Parts: sequence; C-alpha cells; structure tokens
Amino acid sequence: KAGVTQTPRYLIKTRGQQVTLSCSPISGHRSVSWYQQTPGQGLQFLFEYFSETQRNKGNFPGRFSGRQFSNSRSEMNVSTLELGDSALYLCASSYQGMNTEAFFGQGTRLTVV
Amino acid sequence: KNQVEQSPQSLIILEGKNCTLQCNYTVSPFSNLRWYKQDTGRGPVSLTIMTFSENTKSNGRYTATLDADTKQSSLHITASQLSDSASYICVVMDSSYKLIFGSGTRLLVRP
Repeated sequence: KAGVTQTPRYLIKTRGQQVTLSCSPISGHRSVSWYQQTPGQGLQFLFEYFSETQRNKGNFPGRFSGRQFSNSRSEMNVSTLELGDSALYLCASSYQGMNTEAFFGQGTRLTVV
Repeated sequence: KNQVEQSPQSLIILEGKNCTLQCNYTVSPFSNLRWYKQDTGRGPVSLTIMTFSENTKSNGRYTATLDADTKQSSLHITASQLSDSASYICVVMDSSYKLIFGSGTRLLVRP
C-alpha cells in the first residue's frame, strides 16, 4: 500500500509569490491535514479536510488556504509569500479523521528568498 | 492556555542503554495523546496513541505511559539502537480534535 505522497519535495520561491503544494493520501483515507514545521515554532497545525470540506483550522493567516478533491487528494496554497513562511510543510492522512491514527508524508521543504 | 512541554530538549545515550522521555501537558479535556518519531528531514512516524483511559501502550522497544491525573506521559526506549537517533514528539489532541504539539526531544544514540 503506497504511503502519503507529497510533491514537490523541495521548492524555492521569492517573497510575494504564491505556491501550491500537493498531497496524495493513502488509498481509502478521507482525511488530510496539513502542518508547518519550523526550527523556532516546531510543528503547528494548519487545517484538516475531510470529504472535500474543511473541518478544522489552526491559527494561521488567510494567506494559507487549502482544498480537497473528490479523490481525497489535497492542495495547500500560500499567497504573498514571506520569508517567515520558509518551513517544512507536512501533510498527514487518516481513515476517519484526526482522532484516528495519522500517517505523514515526507514533507515539502519550502524556502522563500 | 493548552500546552505540551517535553523534557529533556536533547539527550545523548550509548547504544544498548535505556532512556525515558517526558511529556507534561495542560490540555483539558483531551481526546488522546500520541508519541511520534521523526528522523531528520522526514515526516513523523506514529509510535503510540493513548486515550485518557489507557495507562500504558507498547510498540516493540517503545513503551508509553500515561497518567491522566497528573497530566504526564513518558516514552521509554529499551536497549537503544543507533537507528533510534531522532526527534521524539509528544502530541495531545484536545476535545475539538485540534493537535497541540510539544517541541520534541532530540535523541542521539552513540556507538
């Protein structure tokens, strides 16, 4: 069974640009959640999608948005990038939702210059 | 404020030795508590998930304990191996299914 796949693995963007990250969950999993990991703040929850609906949201500005498609694949978009957005972005999938075991992808390393 | 505090921040042990990592939380009420292992540059991997009614849960050489009264959890690693070198993250899920992460303990196992 394939694991959670995130693309791309690495990305370099310029301040002010926007970026879209992709996450393909484990087959059969309907929940996808997104996290930001930085050396200073550690892991922080961004949002969770379940059956194409955002079900839970962390404390991030509106520049961070996401969506989920009917095949459960999810995308995360960050607009007007700032230097502080440089981080490892992780997604996790689970069968029924965040209260069940979550499986993480390898992450996308975003660098904003 | 809901918080998860881990100690120590970092730890160095010799291969074959045991160690215990600590997690204190103020999240209340909580849904479950998880321990994850994260190798450098990779996504976290789940080790254990415990609800408030569970006291202990094992996964191979990893054993997690939970004391819901004192709001403390520990992760005990037995007979450490070089591959145990990683960050160990304690995560508490609150009653609204939000995850609150600890800052992690960085473990280095030396030969």
